[in-house]
Amino acid sequence: DAKTTQPPSMDCAEGRAANLPCNHSTISGNEYVYWYRQIHSQGPQYIIHGLKNNETNEMASLIITEDRKSSTLILPHATLRDTAVYYCIVRVESPGNTPLVFGKGTRLSVIA
Amino acid sequence: DTGVSQDPRHKITKRGQNVTFRCDPISEHNRLYWYRQTLGQGPEFLTYFQNEAQLEKSRLLSDRFSAERPKGSFSTLEIQRTEQGDSAMYLCASSLRGVSSYNEQFFGPGTRLTVL
Repeated sequence: DAKTTQPPSMDCAEGRAANLPCNHSTISGNEYVYWYRQIHSQGPQYIIHGLKNNETNEMASLIITEDRKSSTLILPHATLRDTAVYYCIVRVESPGNTPLVFGKGTRLSVIA
Repeated sequence: DTGVSQDPRHKITKRGQNVTFRCDPISEHNRLYWYRQTLGQGPEFLTYFQNEAQLEKSRLLSDRFSAERPKGSFSTLEIQRTEQGDSAMYLCASSLRGVSSYNEQFFGPGTRLTVL
């Protein structure tokens, strides 16, 4: 699986959009971008994933650049409960549901 | 609550003792994963099962570690002769391997192990 690079930490004001970047310059054509987050003292939680097109769900939006070498997770109106470590993961999507390979992620602090 | 439960939530033990953790996945999920997480790091994969078959083991899973899923439902992870380096959060996750290409993994709250 390709490696990802994320900033170690970010701050965001409550109510504002949080934009979390991820660099995955060695991503292969059959690798997807996934985002998970981990709130303190809890297990990781799936947020969203995508291949080429931008994706949106009830939690967040995922913007993937045209060359697929980077992406941005957007939390449109961050709340204090969004304070967590956010992990960007790239992996081949296969029927086998391969194990996840986590990096160190970005620690997002939402400030009142 | 994701529907994945782990027991115990916390375990303190002395070096050299054996410990066993239990994971109960979401009932219809056929895949079960174990991860380990140390302070400041992301979770690291240890092993996973499809039903009762253990399909893959990480190099992190030394001979002192053993995992089972005897009836394809709950799973246990045993660590023998614990060492201080085993202190970590042990996370369990489950997913449903089906015909669609992706099924997200649902994580339990973890078992925090402290080896004194």
